[in-house]
Amino acid sequence: EIVLTQSPGTLSLSPGERATLSCRASQSVSSSYLAWYQQKPGQAPRLLIYGASSRATGIPDRFSGSGSGTDFTLTISRLEPEDFAVYYCQQYGSSQLTFGGGTKVEIK
Amino acid sequence: EVQLVESGGGLVQPGGSLKLSCAASGFTFSGSAMHWVRQASGKGLEWVGRIRSKANSYATAYAASVKGRFTISRDDSKNTAYLQMNSLKTEDTAVYYCTRPPYGDFISYWYFDLWGRGTLVTVSS
Repeated sequence: EIVLTQSPGTLSLSPGERATLSCRASQSVSSSYLAWYQQKPGQAPRLLIYGASSRATGIPDRFSGSGSGTDFTLTISRLEPEDFAVYYCQQYGSSQLTFGGGTKVEIK
Repeated sequence: EVQLVESGGGLVQPGGSLKLSCAASGFTFSGSAMHWVRQASGKGLEWVGRIRSKANSYATAYAASVKGRFTISRDDSKNTAYLQMNSLKTEDTAVYYCTRPPYGDFISYWYFDLWGRGTLVTVSS
């Protein structure tokens, strides 16, 4: 099983600031099969990024993903009020799909 | 409307059983793999398992934490997937989501673009 470790656990930032979230895998994720999701309280997760760097339909371009192998990053260039939420990474490069533990982006 | 709607959650005693349903609409259900993901209160997401389409022999796979206790099935005539949960433990308490990958049943695309709202399962005496 590929273990995904997200850091930091909590990120305290102000609107307009840049957010950088990390997702590190215990072994290489084949073909950059890495997705990112946003989840707000009481809601289901929403797909943001797939294939490590491709934005899902309707996702603003302030969200970007990068990385390969074992190290991946989600960047939010300028935080909007609606971006404060929990973010999860997920790998789908192995038959046992796994999620990271999440990073909470909170208002400073 | 493209949607997934889970049902069947509730309170069950440890050692008991429960069967969840996931009703799909607005897309070609029979051609899609279906997955279940759960989330304990205040915790992260955990993949539970999946079932592939008829073209892939309805193959199933499960997380180690539920293997041997949970069974995923589907009825394409009813556009519904199921999660049968047996020998339930307190640690199975969670919101259970069904979810769908965007391109049917291709392993290379097993991320999730459509989620239900979830159904709460509470295992407690």
